[in-house]
Amino acid sequence: GQNIDQPTEMTATEGAIVQINCTYQTSGFNGLFWYQQHAGEAPTFLSYNVLDGLEEKGRFSSFLSRSKGYSYLLLKELQMKDSASYLCAVRGRGNQGGKLIFGQGTELSVKP
Amino acid sequence: DTEVTQTPKHLVMGMTNKKSLKCEQHMGHRAMYWYKQKAKKPPELMFVYSYEKLSINESVPSRFSPECPNSSLLNLHLHALQPEDSALYLCASSQSDGGGFIDTQYFGPGTRLTVL
Repeated sequence: GQNIDQPTEMTATEGAIVQINCTYQTSGFNGLFWYQQHAGEAPTFLSYNVLDGLEEKGRFSSFLSRSKGYSYLLLKELQMKDSASYLCAVRGRGNQGGKLIFGQGTELSVKP
Repeated sequence: DTEVTQTPKHLVMGMTNKKSLKCEQHMGHRAMYWYKQKAKKPPELMFVYSYEKLSINESVPSRFSPECPNSSLLNLHLHALQPEDSALYLCASSQSDGGGFIDTQYFGPGTRLTVL
Protein backbone atom coordinates (compact mmCIF):
# COMPACT_ATOMS: atom_id res chain seq x y z
CA GLY A 1 0.00 0.00 0.00
CA GLN A 2 0.90 3.65 -0.07
CA ASN A 3 0.94 5.76 3.05
CA ILE A 4 2.35 9.19 3.78
CA ASP A 5 2.13 10.63 7.30
CA GLN A 6 2.58 14.19 8.48
CA PRO A 7 1.46 15.97 11.64
CA THR A 8 -1.91 17.66 11.13
CA GLU A 9 -1.06 20.96 12.80
CA MET A 10 1.93 22.81 14.19
CA THR A 11 2.36 26.18 15.83
CA ALA A 12 5.57 28.19 16.00
CA THR A 13 6.72 31.69 16.87
CA GLU A 14 7.87 34.35 14.45
CA GLY A 15 11.65 34.27 14.07
CA ALA A 16 11.94 30.68 15.31
CA ILE A 17 12.80 27.44 13.50
CA VAL A 18 10.27 24.70 12.81
CA GLN A 19 10.73 21.16 11.49
CA ILE A 20 7.86 19.39 9.73
CA ASN A 21 8.31 15.63 9.49
CA CYS A 22 7.01 13.27 6.83
CA THR A 23 7.21 9.46 6.81
CA TYR A 24 6.24 7.39 3.82
CA GLN A 25 5.67 3.83 2.69
CA THR A 26 5.18 3.57 -1.05
CA SER A 27 5.47 0.79 -3.61
CA GLY A 28 7.84 2.87 -5.75
CA PHE A 29 9.95 5.94 -5.03
CA ASN A 30 11.20 8.48 -7.53
CA GLY A 31 11.60 11.62 -5.49
CA LEU A 32 9.99 13.48 -2.62
CA PHE A 33 8.57 16.97 -2.94
CA TRP A 34 7.47 19.63 -0.51
CA TYR A 35 4.82 22.14 -1.50
CA GLN A 36 3.42 25.16 0.35
CA GLN A 37 -0.26 25.97 -0.01
CA HIS A 38 -1.93 29.09 1.34
CA ALA A 39 -5.68 28.85 1.90
CA GLY A 40 -7.60 29.03 -1.37
CA GLU A 41 -4.45 29.11 -3.49
CA ALA A 42 -2.49 26.62 -5.57
CA PRO A 43 0.33 24.52 -4.12
CA THR A 44 3.71 26.17 -4.69
CA PHE A 45 6.84 24.05 -5.16
CA LEU A 46 9.38 24.39 -2.33
CA SER A 47 11.89 21.56 -2.57
CA TYR A 48 12.83 18.22 -4.10
CA ASN A 49 14.93 15.33 -2.75
CA VAL A 50 15.74 12.09 -4.52
CA LEU A 51 19.07 11.19 -2.86
CA ASP A 52 19.75 10.99 0.85
CA GLY A 53 20.84 14.17 2.53
CA LEU A 54 20.02 17.80 3.00
CA GLU A 55 19.00 20.28 0.31
CA GLU A 56 19.16 23.93 1.33
CA LYS A 57 17.35 26.78 -0.35
CA GLY A 58 17.43 30.05 1.54
CA ARG A 59 15.26 29.83 4.68
CA PHE A 60 13.98 26.39 3.65
CA SER A 61 15.85 23.08 3.84
CA SER A 62 14.65 19.57 3.19
CA PHE A 63 16.17 16.27 4.29
CA LEU A 64 15.65 12.75 3.00
CA SER A 65 16.53 9.29 4.31
CA ARG A 66 15.33 6.68 1.84
CA SER A 67 16.24 3.72 4.07
CA LYS A 68 14.04 5.13 6.84
CA GLY A 69 11.26 6.41 4.56
CA TYR A 70 11.64 9.78 6.23
CA SER A 71 11.88 13.41 5.24
CA TYR A 72 11.63 16.74 6.98
CA LEU A 73 11.18 20.34 5.92
CA LEU A 74 13.04 22.90 8.04
CA LEU A 75 11.89 26.49 8.03
CA LYS A 76 14.21 29.07 9.60
CA GLU A 77 13.60 32.68 10.66
CA LEU A 78 9.87 32.13 10.52
CA GLN A 79 7.71 34.93 9.17
CA MET A 80 3.98 35.47 9.53
CA LYS A 81 3.56 34.79 5.81
CA ASP A 82 4.87 31.24 6.37
CA SER A 83 1.49 30.38 7.92
CA ALA A 84 0.19 27.85 5.40
CA SER A 85 -0.32 24.16 4.76
CA TYR A 86 2.83 22.20 3.91
CA LEU A 87 2.35 19.15 1.72
CA CYS A 88 4.78 16.25 1.45
CA ALA A 89 4.41 14.28 -1.80
CA VAL A 90 6.11 11.16 -3.15
CA ARG A 91 6.43 10.51 -6.88
CA GLY A 92 5.94 7.04 -8.32
CA ARG A 93 8.06 5.10 -10.80
CA GLY A 94 7.57 3.52 -14.20
CA ASN A 95 4.00 3.71 -15.48
CA GLN A 96 3.13 5.62 -12.31
CA GLY A 97 5.93 8.08 -12.98
CA GLY A 98 3.67 11.08 -13.31
CA LYS A 99 1.80 10.33 -10.13
CA LEU A 100 2.29 12.39 -6.97
CA ILE A 101 0.88 10.93 -3.78
CA PHE A 102 0.32 13.63 -1.19
CA GLY A 103 0.30 13.45 2.57
CA GLN A 104 -2.62 15.09 4.38
CA GLY A 105 -0.66 18.30 4.84
CA THR A 106 0.59 20.08 7.96
CA GLU A 107 -1.19 23.31 8.85
CA LEU A 108 1.48 25.65 10.25
CA SER A 109 0.44 28.67 12.29
CA VAL A 110 3.11 31.30 12.95
CA LYS A 111 2.34 33.47 15.97
CA PRO A 112 3.88 36.89 16.76
CA ASP B 1 8.53 31.34 -15.93
CA THR B 2 6.58 28.56 -14.24
CA GLU B 3 3.08 29.81 -14.95
CA VAL B 4 0.06 27.61 -15.45
CA THR B 5 -3.20 29.46 -16.06
CA GLN B 6 -6.72 28.18 -15.46
CA THR B 7 -10.13 29.52 -16.40
CA PRO B 8 -12.61 30.20 -15.03
CA LYS B 9 -11.54 31.04 -11.47
CA HIS B 10 -14.99 30.21 -10.12
CA LEU B 11 -17.81 28.15 -11.63
CA VAL B 12 -21.30 27.45 -10.35
CA MET B 13 -23.32 24.85 -12.24
CA GLY B 14 -26.46 22.80 -11.91
CA MET B 15 -26.52 19.03 -12.04
CA THR B 16 -27.87 19.03 -15.60
CA ASN B 17 -25.40 21.55 -17.00
CA LYS B 18 -22.41 20.91 -19.24
CA LYS B 19 -19.35 23.04 -18.65
CA SER B 20 -15.62 22.93 -19.29
CA LEU B 21 -12.53 23.88 -17.31
CA LYS B 22 -9.49 25.09 -19.21
CA CYS B 23 -5.79 24.96 -18.44
CA GLU B 24 -2.88 26.43 -20.40
CA GLN B 25 0.89 26.46 -20.08
CA HIS B 26 3.58 27.88 -22.36
CA MET B 27 6.62 26.31 -20.73
CA GLY B 28 6.99 23.59 -23.35
CA HIS B 29 5.94 20.98 -20.81
CA ARG B 30 4.77 17.66 -22.26
CA ALA B 31 2.94 16.28 -19.21
CA MET B 32 -0.25 17.81 -17.82
CA TYR B 33 -2.40 16.80 -14.88
CA TRP B 34 -5.83 17.29 -13.35
CA TYR B 35 -6.24 17.14 -9.58
CA LYS B 36 -9.28 17.51 -7.36
CA GLN B 37 -8.93 19.06 -3.92
CA LYS B 38 -11.60 19.15 -1.23
CA ALA B 39 -11.36 21.57 1.70
CA LYS B 40 -8.67 20.67 4.26
CA LYS B 41 -7.57 17.70 2.12
CA PRO B 42 -4.56 17.17 -0.16
CA PRO B 43 -4.87 17.21 -3.96
CA GLU B 44 -6.00 13.89 -5.45
CA LEU B 45 -4.80 12.96 -8.91
CA MET B 46 -7.51 12.47 -11.54
CA PHE B 47 -5.75 12.28 -14.92
CA VAL B 48 -2.27 12.46 -16.43
CA TYR B 49 -1.56 13.34 -20.06
CA SER B 50 1.86 12.61 -21.46
CA TYR B 51 2.70 13.90 -24.96
CA GLU B 52 -1.01 14.60 -25.49
CA LYS B 53 -2.03 11.01 -24.69
CA LEU B 54 -3.92 9.95 -21.61
CA SER B 55 -1.48 7.91 -19.52
CA ILE B 56 -3.21 7.69 -16.13
CA ASN B 57 -6.93 7.72 -15.28
CA GLU B 58 -7.43 7.24 -11.56
CA SER B 59 -10.82 5.51 -12.01
CA VAL B 60 -12.55 8.86 -12.36
CA PRO B 61 -16.34 8.76 -13.07
CA SER B 62 -17.25 9.29 -16.72
CA ARG B 63 -19.06 12.53 -15.90
CA PHE B 64 -15.52 14.00 -15.95
CA SER B 65 -14.02 13.88 -19.44
CA PRO B 66 -10.49 15.16 -20.06
CA GLU B 67 -9.18 16.40 -23.38
CA CYS B 68 -5.73 17.51 -24.51
CA PRO B 69 -6.17 19.38 -27.84
CA ASN B 70 -2.46 20.25 -28.06
CA SER B 71 0.67 20.27 -25.94
CA SER B 72 -0.20 23.60 -24.28
CA LEU B 73 -3.86 23.06 -23.49
CA LEU B 74 -5.79 20.74 -21.21
CA ASN B 75 -9.55 20.74 -20.78
CA LEU B 76 -11.86 19.01 -18.34
CA HIS B 77 -15.41 18.60 -19.61
CA LEU B 78 -18.09 18.31 -16.94
CA HIS B 79 -21.54 16.81 -17.37
CA ALA B 80 -24.24 15.68 -14.94
CA LEU B 81 -22.11 16.42 -11.88
CA GLN B 82 -23.21 15.81 -8.31
CA PRO B 83 -23.04 18.26 -5.38
CA GLU B 84 -20.22 16.14 -3.88
CA ASP B 85 -18.12 17.04 -6.93
CA SER B 86 -17.84 20.59 -5.60
CA ALA B 87 -14.13 21.19 -5.02
CA LEU B 88 -11.05 23.08 -6.19
CA TYR B 89 -9.86 21.64 -9.50
CA LEU B 90 -6.15 22.09 -10.03
CA CYS B 91 -4.19 21.73 -13.23
CA ALA B 92 -0.45 21.08 -13.17
CA SER B 93 2.28 20.58 -15.75
CA SER B 94 5.81 19.20 -15.82
CA GLN B 95 8.57 18.73 -18.39
CA SER B 96 7.58 15.08 -18.72
CA ASP B 97 6.03 12.37 -16.53
CA GLY B 98 9.38 10.78 -15.81
CA GLY B 99 11.87 11.31 -13.01
CA GLY B 100 14.31 13.94 -11.95
CA PHE B 101 14.10 17.48 -10.72
CA ILE B 102 13.26 18.63 -14.22
CA ASP B 103 9.89 16.86 -13.93
CA THR B 104 8.70 18.91 -10.97
CA GLN B 105 4.99 19.63 -11.25
CA TYR B 106 3.86 23.26 -11.24
CA PHE B 107 0.28 24.04 -10.35
CA GLY B 108 -2.19 26.55 -11.71
CA PRO B 109 -4.39 28.65 -9.40
CA GLY B 110 -7.34 26.30 -9.73
CA THR B 111 -11.04 26.57 -10.54
CA ARG B 112 -13.38 26.66 -7.56
CA LEU B 113 -16.37 24.56 -8.68
CA THR B 114 -19.74 24.56 -6.93
CA VAL B 115 -22.43 22.10 -8.08
CA LEU B 116 -25.95 22.97 -6.98
